[in-house]
Amino acid sequence: ETGVTQTPRHLVMGMTNKKSLKCEQHLGHNAMYWYKQSAKKPLELMFVYNFKEQTENNSVPSRFSPECPNSSHLFLHLHTLQPEDSALYLCASSPSSGTETQYFGPGTRLLVL
Amino acid sequence: AQSVAQPEDQVNVAEGNPLTVKCTYSVSGNPYLFWYVQYPNRGLQFLLKYITGDNLVKGSYGFEAEFNKSQTSFHLKKPSALVSDSALYFCAVRALNSGYSTLTFGKGTMLLVSP
Repeated sequence: ETGVTQTPRHLVMGMTNKKSLKCEQHLGHNAMYWYKQSAKKPLELMFVYNFKEQTENNSVPSRFSPECPNSSHLFLHLHTLQPEDSALYLCASSPSSGTETQYFGPGTRLLVL
Repeated sequence: AQSVAQPEDQVNVAEGNPLTVKCTYSVSGNPYLFWYVQYPNRGLQFLLKYITGDNLVKGSYGFEAEFNKSQTSFHLKKPSALVSDSALYFCAVRALNSGYSTLTFGKGTMLLVSP
């Protein structure tokens, strides 16, 4: 409904697994973002991509690895995660850097066992 | 550094009554201010924003917010609440002079509207 889709919607993985989250936006935007949402905590910005270039890495552990092959697609590669990484991972996009309104996808609910 | 405070974890209101969800902010320079709403199992949905101009901003679903520079507040309001307004509400701020569109969010306020 918002033009930003995320797959999968739910993911359960063990600590030794490798998985990837996918985000796609159909809005013609040039900036994309990954956020982590944990209960009772503010949204945590993880990564920002602007015109496919990573412009911000908010001190995210290396077990999270983003990839932005083009302005419409954003991936978050996951490996050797910890149980505390369980959260809702939200993708967002905006027309370009300096443009304020971000549009969010529905999120991927991740559970790390 | 910019920050947002939402002092209430939860707001309870009866249907038909007015509602207010509070937000205060701290930012260098003039702020961009936003409200987003999140329904269960959904992403955040944009409600309204303040950039400049009229301090009273009108948004989706009958919501409005009032920018108060002296009190550094941007409270969300609605004259008559609906049960369907029950959701998690986030306030966010972005500094006007920052180079990228990075927002700082509050921790969210759960709004519960009872029939």
